[in-house]
Amino acid sequence: EPEVTQTPSHQVTQMGQEVILRCVPISNHLYFYWYRQILGQKVEFLVSFYNNEISEKSEIFDDQFSVERPDGSNFTLKIRSTKLEDSAMYFCASMGSYEQYFGPGTRLTVT
Amino acid sequence: GDSVTQMEGPVTLSEEAFLTINCTYTATGYPSLFWYVQYPGEGLQLLLKATKADDKGSNKGFEATYRKETTSFHLEKGSVQVSDSAVYFCALSEGNQAGTALIFGKGTTLSVSS
Repeated sequence: EPEVTQTPSHQVTQMGQEVILRCVPISNHLYFYWYRQILGQKVEFLVSFYNNEISEKSEIFDDQFSVERPDGSNFTLKIRSTKLEDSAMYFCASMGSYEQYFGPGTRLTVT
Repeated sequence: GDSVTQMEGPVTLSEEAFLTINCTYTATGYPSLFWYVQYPGEGLQLLLKATKADDKGSNKGFEATYRKETTSFHLEKGSVQVSDSAVYFCALSEGNQAGTALIFGKGTTLSVSS
């Protein structure tokens, strides 16, 4: 069964550093998403991406965040200058027609 | 704005017990409603969904009915198994357009013992 994969599973970085989280969506899907879950809190929507551009973004997704689909298979989330409060589990999802399929997540720890 | 509230966990049950996890929502329109499940070390998986009032979603013995009058979508299972131990998330999606974001509740951890 096709699945969404994410790398790395755990990333530790220092405050102020740039991080790139990687996702490989299901190959024939057209919609891509990033969500995050701060420990003990809700899963929160960050951004959706379709046809090589952002289709929707939340208030969380400020200028420090960017997304890219560089090569037709990967979908990346970049955080330019990480803050302590960016520590969270980041989930990628992709969708073909209706259901969003989620990856296992990347745990980002900012120290 | 739209929101989802689900019961606080953890919920601890013995095998074959009846399960209810409450979920209520606030939405301006007519959302679609979902239950997702997350097993340890895995991503969120769609468990069931309902797209309009009075629809019942069901899968793997789990059921939930879309109740517009009470703005609820409670998850039930008649007889839980140890393998049902996981985190359960209630979610909504406003509108029918593809690409619309999911709004999640905080998740409820279910632990089933034999």
